[in-house]
Amino acid sequence: GNSVTQMEGPVTLSEEAFLTINCTYTATGYPSLFWYVQYPGEGLQLLLKATKADDKGSNKGFEATYRKETTSFHLEKGSVQVSDSAVYFCALSDRGGSQGNLIFGKGTKLSVKP
Amino acid sequence: EAEVAQSPRYKITEKSQAVAFWCDPISGHATLYWYRQILGQGPELLVQFQDESVVDDSQLPKDRFSAERLKGVDSTLKIQPAELGDSAMYLCASSLAPGTSVPGELFFGEGSRLTVL
Repeated sequence: GNSVTQMEGPVTLSEEAFLTINCTYTATGYPSLFWYVQYPGEGLQLLLKATKADDKGSNKGFEATYRKETTSFHLEKGSVQVSDSAVYFCALSDRGGSQGNLIFGKGTKLSVKP
Repeated sequence: EAEVAQSPRYKITEKSQAVAFWCDPISGHATLYWYRQILGQGPELLVQFQDESVVDDSQLPKDRFSAERLKGVDSTLKIQPAELGDSAMYLCASSLAPGTSVPGELFFGEGSRLTVL
């Protein structure tokens, strides 16, 4: 079945460091791919998305490119800030019977130190 | 900005008791989801509604869990009886109807954290 695997955390970085969080997926067909972020004490928020191969999603300085050949959707940011400290979830949409349902990875906790 | 409302934010109960969670989606969102997020894990779908109809409840433990969305707006998720393993965050999310948005573009509430003692 469909699944998402993302790198385990926690990831601890200094402010202004470069961030990469790896995400790979297994899916039949052509899913849409997402990164959601969960700040402490809050619900999940959509960070960025890509709906087809080679699409690049971007938001708030974060980027991820839909790579069909490597079944990956790695999250990157060139210079992280303390305010980026959160848990990041990679997800894909299940385009089967439950259209719109998301299948999530386990999450990667990011801590950014000043 | 419109938000998904959930209550209560926190619930502590003893095992074998009944608990209920409420969700009010963003106005106009036809699709409503209940997810369970165990600590340290990603959310997993429990049930999905399209208007008042259940689209997917294959992962809902139907012997103790029930969900309804009677008028196709707000929704209630019930657990009876609660078990220790039900301790988790229960997340509600909503989205526009299929065909009018990107599948998977969901708006989440802040969640209801359940602790079963």
